[in-house]
Order: sequence, then structure tokens, then C-alpha cells
Amino acid sequence: AQKITQTQPGMFVQEKEAVTLDCTYDTSDQSYGLFWYKQPSSGEMIFLIYQGSYDEQNATEGRYSLNFQKARKSANLVISASQLGDSAMYFCAMRERRNTGNQFYFGTGTSLTVIP
Amino acid sequence: GAGVSQSPSNKVTEKGKDVELRCDPISGHTALYWYRQSLGQGLEFLIYFQGNSAPDKSGLPSDRFSAERTGGSVSTLTIQRTQQEDSAVYLCASSFVGQGSSYEQYFGPGTRLTVT
Repeated sequence: AQKITQTQPGMFVQEKEAVTLDCTYDTSDQSYGLFWYKQPSSGEMIFLIYQGSYDEQNATEGRYSLNFQKARKSANLVISASQLGDSAMYFCAMRERRNTGNQFYFGTGTSLTVIP
Repeated sequence: GAGVSQSPSNKVTEKGKDVELRCDPISGHTALYWYRQSLGQGLEFLIYFQGNSAPDKSGLPSDRFSAERTGGSVSTLTIQRTQQEDSAVYLCASSFVGQGSSYEQYFGPGTRLTVT
């Protein structure tokens, strides 16, 4: 089974509108972390937001918020007031603890295009 | 402060040659990860270092791939007898491991490897 599933290969959003990028995860661990990264066309991966499995409040960072629904194992990224610079690939990731240390799993990504 | 740096940024090599890719993590980050990203794909985990030791080498695709890290800092990923299927962007990431850390990874700009 896939550890991280991103079902939207491509998304379009009008500038200044909000958009939700879907992410579901699979783990039997109680303690884990969820992350979103942005990868613009330049290629560099940029950390956006983090949610710990024990955090009861949804994480927020500026225009980014993570809609964490633990029972459904979903960790959707919400971008409010989209800007042209938000056009990029977005990757959802999960951290699990192993005896060997932290193991990270990445989804296949969602390509977001912001339309003027 | 300085981020993760990688060199070279681009490498074109002939099939069968050996290549070395370098990663310089953020100072103080004890964890270092190597990933591979093929065109339009997600991230494929290769290897993880905690300090100088590599507790998890499970992602290395074949015995042609090896990596080392010295002084708890710089890491080198070596690919011997390169094949065309090795062509990809190789990304390095580092993270701080400690009390209260969320372990988010900070990525370098990547090395684009092309095997002709």
C-alpha cells in the first residue's frame, strides 16, 4: 500500500481564490509527522508546513493551513488567496520513527497552476 | 544563514563512467538524506545518515550506488559504472534531530545527472 497518496495530478485555481490539495496517508504508528513541500520550476524543495500526529489544532503558516483529519488519515493543504507565485508542484510527506531513525515517505505530487 | 548546498548543479557523463555528487548540509543538522527524482516523478529515498553512520541503506537501487559522510557534515554519493536509467535529479536534504524538533527537511538545489 502507498504510504502517501495524492490523487490530484494537476489542479487549477483562479488567482485570489482558495485551493485544497488532497493528501491521505497510511500508518499504524501513533506518533508521526506530516509535511507539505513546494517545488517550483526551479527545482528546489521548499518546506511549507508541519503537523504532528498529537497536535489537536490544525497547523497554519501564513496563507497555508493543513486540514488534519486523523480518523480519516487525511492531511490536506489549503492555500488561501492564491498568487501566481504559488504555481508549482506540491508534495505531501510523512515521517515515521524506526529503529534506524526517521523514515520519510513522499507522495507523487500535485501540480498547481494559478490562473490570472 | 547558509542552506544545503550541492555540487555540481549539472553533470553530464558517459555511460559506464563513475560520478561523485556532493552535499553540504546545514551546519548543526545531524541527519542527512539522499533522494532521487526522475522527470515528473516524486522523490525516491536512497539513503539516510545520522551523524557519519548510515542506519538505513534500503533505498540504494543497486551495488553501484554508495554514499559516505565524514565529520558529520559533507556527504558524497557515488555512482559507479553509470547507466542511462541513472539519469535524474539527485536531491540532498538535512534536518535537525533533537528535543522538540519536528524534523522537517531542508533540501538543496539538487544535481541534475544526465548519462549519455
